[in-house]
Parts: sequence; C-alpha cells; structure tokens
Amino acid sequence: EAGVAQSPRYKIIEKRQSVAFWCNPISGHATLYWYQQILGQGPKLLIQFQNNGVVDDSQLPKDRFSAERLKGVDSTLKIQPAKLEDSAVYLCASSPTLAGANTGELFFGEGSRLTVL
Amino acid sequence: AQSVTQLGSHVSVSEGALVLLRCNYSSSVPPYLFWYVQYPNQGLQLLLKYTSAATLVKGINGFEAEFKKSETSFHLTKPSAHMSDAAEYFCAVSDRAGGYQKVTFGIGTKLQVIP
Repeated sequence: EAGVAQSPRYKIIEKRQSVAFWCNPISGHATLYWYQQILGQGPKLLIQFQNNGVVDDSQLPKDRFSAERLKGVDSTLKIQPAKLEDSAVYLCASSPTLAGANTGELFFGEGSRLTVL
Repeated sequence: AQSVTQLGSHVSVSEGALVLLRCNYSSSVPPYLFWYVQYPNQGLQLLLKYTSAATLVKGINGFEAEFKKSETSFHLTKPSAHMSDAAEYFCAVSDRAGGYQKVTFGIGTKLQVIP
C-alpha cells in the first residue's frame, strides 16, 4: 500500500513570495491533516479535512494560508505572501474515518521543508 | 480542551541503559494516546498506541508504554537503549470532542544515546 505522498520535499523562497505544497493521502483515507512543525517544536495542526469538507481550521492564518481538498482526495496548501516565520516543515497526514473506527492514528508523509529568506 | 505535556525536551542515556520518556495528557473525554518517532528529515511514524484495550502497550523496536488514568500519564520506556534509538519522540492525544477526531501533539523529546 502506498504511503502519504508530499511534494516538493524542499523549497526555498524569498519573503513575500508564494509557495504551494501538495499532498496525496493513502487511498481510502477520508481525513487529511496539514501540520506545521517549526524547528524544536511539536507539530501544530493548521487544517483538518474530512472528505472535502473542513472540520478544523482554527489555527490556520487565513490572511496568508489557504488549503483545499478537491474531490476529497489530494490536497494543496498555499502560502501567499510568505513571511520569515513560515520557515518550517509542513507535514501532511491522513487517517481512515469509519463510524466508530477512527482512533486518530495518523499516517504521515515525509514533509515539505520550507525556508523563507 | 485536550493537551499534552512532555517533560524534558532533551534526554540523554547511555547505550544499554533504561529509556524513560514522560508524557502527561489532559482530555475531557476518554482519549486515545500515541507515541510517534521522527528520524532526521523524515515524517513521523507510529511507535505504539493505546486505544482502550490493554493498559500496557507494546510497540516496535522494543518500546512500551503504560496508560495510567489516575495519573493521566502515558510514559514511554525501553529497557535497554540502542544507538539507533536516537531520534525525536512525540506523544499525542486524540479524542472525539466536537464531532470529529482531534489530534494534539506534545513538543517532543529528543533522545540522545551515548556510546
């Protein structure tokens, strides 16, 4: 079974530029998460989708970050314009969602490392 | 609201010594608990999980954790550290408050194994 795919693995941009990250979850996983991991910190949830609907985006800086999950499969996270403090690893994860069977176990991709200069 | 506290952002042990990484949680409903491991430049991978079955949970690479409800703890242990255990370890709590499964991570503990 293929794992969670993310691209690009690494991206370096200047501040005020834009960047987009792509994630393809494990086939059949209804829930998709984007986490931001700043160096030395734990992952912080940015947005959570169930199928193609947003269930939690309370910590997403909506003035600059946006995310979509068209057709309930793959997802794109965009940052525009980027700030220095956005330098982080952006982790995508997915989990199956069946009634009474979602424990919150997450399957992670390898992450996309963003450096903003 | 759920939260996770990991005591000790850095832990050093000698090779062959006991590994103990501490995790305390808070949750308004019965939680599921997880430990994940992260090697450099990689994503997180599941080490073990507690999902309301046995309170002593065994995971990969010889790790285990015990769920103690009275202490709201889920500490990770391994009897004998190996050099390959050097990594960062994250405790996570998951509960279904608000109609969906929410997962919150601790800040992580970086484990150093000294030869």
